Amino acid sequence: QKEVEQDPGPLSVPEGAIVSLNCTYSNSAFQYFMWYRQYSRKGPELLMYTYSSGNKEDGRFTAQVDKSSKYISLFIRDSQPSDSATYLCAMRSSNYKLTFGKGTLLTVNP
Amino acid sequence: GAVVSQHPSRVICKSGTSVKIECRSLDFQATTMFWYRQFPKQSLMLMATSNEGSKATYEQGVEKDKFLINHASLTLSTLTVTSAHPEDSSFYICSAPEARGLIYNSPLHFGNGTRLTVT
Repeated sequence: QKEVEQDPGPLSVPEGAIVSLNCTYSNSAFQYFMWYRQYSRKGPELLMYTYSSGNKEDGRFTAQVDKSSKYISLFIRDSQPSDSATYLCAMRSSNYKLTFGKGTLLTVNP
Repeated sequence: GAVVSQHPSRVICKSGTSVKIECRSLDFQATTMFWYRQFPKQSLMLMATSNEGSKATYEQGVEKDKFLINHASLTLSTLTVTSAHPEDSSFYICSAPEARGLIYNSPLHFGNGTRLTVT
């Protein structure tokens, strides 16, 4: 079993839809959880960073962490074509090494 | 927010030559930087950890003599791919934690990557 599982998609939604992206993990030592957005041929851009169970909201983005289920989610409200990108979940324990999901390719159609 | 700058954005070189990639933290100091490699449609894989003023730490399976890392200052780390071969063609990305000395609870910020093509 891989440490971090993420459905690679592709996921295609109409503009304005609510998008739900998810990752599961097996390592109970993971404490810090991040979501990155990566446009083609660019480096990952940090979207959300959290270290506790529950929800964290930032604009149209909401990150959700459920440590008991080892499950994290990213919700995008009112999705825009500019949100089309690959979304990577990442997590780590008390050391610095990030473990990434494979990324989900999202396309928001106008 | 924190910005990490990486240069060049793409490079094409001949087999056997060496290529240097620079990673700079623009508005913060970074005692530690990380180098990742990403193959097409794959996730990021950590190659090595660059430590200012000391030797880099390499992940298992990464040849330290092939991927030379130098972290000469608090804002600059370089990765040199020596004697490059076509199988070294990949997307190389550097990153740095946002806060100096607090790497264990700081998010990582990434550069825009360098696409290396070895012919």
